[in-house]
Amino acid sequence: DAEITQSPRHKITETGRQVTLACHQTWNHNNMFWYRQDLGHGLRLIHYSYGVQDTNKGEVSDGYSVSRSNTEDLPLTLESAASSQTSVYFCASSEDPGTGSNEQFFGPGTRLTVL
Amino acid sequence: GQNIDQPTEMTATEGAIVQINCTYQTSGFNGLFWYQQHAGEAPTFLSYNVLDGLEEKGRFSSFLSRSKGYSYLLLKELQMKDSASYLCASLDSNYQLIWGAGTKLIIKP
Repeated sequence: DAEITQSPRHKITETGRQVTLACHQTWNHNNMFWYRQDLGHGLRLIHYSYGVQDTNKGEVSDGYSVSRSNTEDLPLTLESAASSQTSVYFCASSEDPGTGSNEQFFGPGTRLTVL
Repeated sequence: GQNIDQPTEMTATEGAIVQINCTYQTSGFNGLFWYQQHAGEAPTFLSYNVLDGLEEKGRFSSFLSRSKGYSYLLLKELQMKDSASYLCASLDSNYQLIWGAGTKLIIKP
């Protein structure tokens, strides 16, 4: 069965360290997204990609970067972790608009704590 | 600006019916999603409405009025397992989802 996985599921790091969160999907979707979820806020878009070599900034992209070298993976890097980046991070993927239901499929999430 | 409003928390009784409202204002509109999210888990898809009207799917129904920028999710015959957060999201003109903060639904026996 197709799925979307994230690793690690939990991560504790220190301020200033570089951290990379992995996201891997086997849906063969072109579209992939990274969100963060904090109490009192909806899911907020960090970065997204509509295909290989394509990356775009979302609403809260400062301090984060992504790269898309293949269809399956969209790793999220925190260049210099800050306490404000303590959050739960979700990766999602979807089909191209107009080809399906536009539904986004979510990974299980990564809980990141920056001390 | 883009905005999605939904109540922060609602309480209902097992076996009853509850309606969770959502109003949206986004740049363009390509449909309205409802997702369910249990504590500590990922959001899971419940419904997608792009045309006006009611879509029924078992115990869950979703309604959309595009002219009013309004949707609701109706849950019937509530069960304890329905205790979760319900997220409303609008698909904007760039096919990006704009999310509400979610409604935490508490079911009491």
